Amino acid sequence: AQSVTQLGSHVSVSEGALVLLRCNYSSSVPPYLFWYVQYPNQGLQLLLKYTSAATLVKGINGFEAEFKKSETSFHLTKPSAHMSDAAEYFCAVSETGAQKLVFGQGTRLTINP
Amino acid sequence: NAGVTQTPKFQVLKTGQSMTLQCAQDMNHEYMSWYRQDPGMGLRLIHYSVGAGITDQGEVPNGYNVSRSTTEDFPLRLLSAAPSQTSVYFCASSRVAGESYEQYFGPGTRLTVT
Repeated sequence: AQSVTQLGSHVSVSEGALVLLRCNYSSSVPPYLFWYVQYPNQGLQLLLKYTSAATLVKGINGFEAEFKKSETSFHLTKPSAHMSDAAEYFCAVSETGAQKLVFGQGTRLTINP
Repeated sequence: NAGVTQTPKFQVLKTGQSMTLQCAQDMNHEYMSWYRQDPGMGLRLIHYSVGAGITDQGEVPNGYNVSRSTTEDFPLRLLSAAPSQTSVYFCASSRVAGESYEQYFGPGTRLTVT
């Protein structure tokens, strides 16, 4: 069965600092991996996705993630945090493409001025 | 395109009442699904559909019913509401095949059961 673990339910960084949100997955087949962002009282918006092409995936708003099969990880990074990055971030895995996503528990990112 | 729309945005029910959460999409997507979001648990799949007339259960289907009579609409029915169903509900849609590999999410319905 697929599963996703996001390390750290809350992450706090200073404006301009590196953002690192951790995601580890388990899957019995090559996975499709996604990062979604949720701003307060809104739905989920896709940040980026891995679909077995390049292992380093670039997304919107300056975010990127690297697929590391040996570590079963798909960590999300951004070199310099902005106040507008404050939100909740979800990592998700699927064995069937975009369907039947299994989500991690989420990481709330706080940006300190 | 309006994308994925959900109604209502907020709802309060008493235990034992029934109601239907509406979901519609105008992108001609074959696949539609319902998730519930609870604090510390991420989103969990309730039911999904790969096309009109075809539905299946997800991870947490108990207490919920769905049907898919058209490509556009995928309503979620709560048969007899319970406090454990207090949650935020999201509808999502995507193409079944192709390179888009993205589910589009609606804005959510916040449900409270007292």
